[in-house]
Amino acid sequence: EVQLVQSGTDVKTPGATVKISCKVSGYTFTDYSIHWVRRAPGKGLQWLGLIDPEDGETVYLEKFQGRVTITADTSTDTAYLELNSLMSDDTAVYFCATDNNSNYFDHWGQGTLVTVSS
Amino acid sequence: QSVLTQPPSVSAAPGQKVTISCSGSSSDIGNNDVSWYQQFPGTAPKLLIYDNNRRPSGIPDRFSGSKSGTSATLGITGLQTGDEADYYCGTWDTSLSAWVFGGGTMLTVL
Repeated sequence: EVQLVQSGTDVKTPGATVKISCKVSGYTFTDYSIHWVRRAPGKGLQWLGLIDPEDGETVYLEKFQGRVTITADTSTDTAYLELNSLMSDDTAVYFCATDNNSNYFDHWGQGTLVTVSS
Repeated sequence: QSVLTQPPSVSAAPGQKVTISCSGSSSDIGNNDVSWYQQFPGTAPKLLIYDNNRRPSGIPDRFSGSKSGTSATLGITGLQTGDEADYYCGTWDTSLSAWVFGGGTMLTVL
């Protein structure tokens, strides 16, 4: 069974950095890309970027270039999302998801609530 | 503002049918397959439809998808109160080199 298990709720102050983990099991970690998606309160889903764990290649939404870093640790089958210079608008539930090497997300993590507040 | 356009909300009575539209452009829907997701409050999105019209294992055939040109449609028949959720379309945007979602549609089963 494919599972993506994310780290827990986090509270940050404006300007801080958050790092969220996504540990996968049930498939070979390097077979599929990992994507990060968030949903802010009252808003829709927003894609942030992806990583191919096989070669570490990343693609980021232009809006987040310079502020987001996605990494993958193949020794622990874990992907990470790091977002710096946090603002209140970054308050959201962040999800990791796999893409099955296709154009859809078939498995999702449970979500991690990040609250940015002074 | 989302790249893909969905109606903010739709509603219908139990047992009835509803459709949710998703409008895009040649750089997204026009050249890439569309998927649809269902999200209940406080939970992760769930894949409902992939490759425009295919259902993953376990998704009932009450849910269907179609695509024509730069638009896609999700259909739900035999509506149940348990279908009340937010629905999102999504695809890859070749021009943006990014994945894009619709703004989401809240379904109410009256």
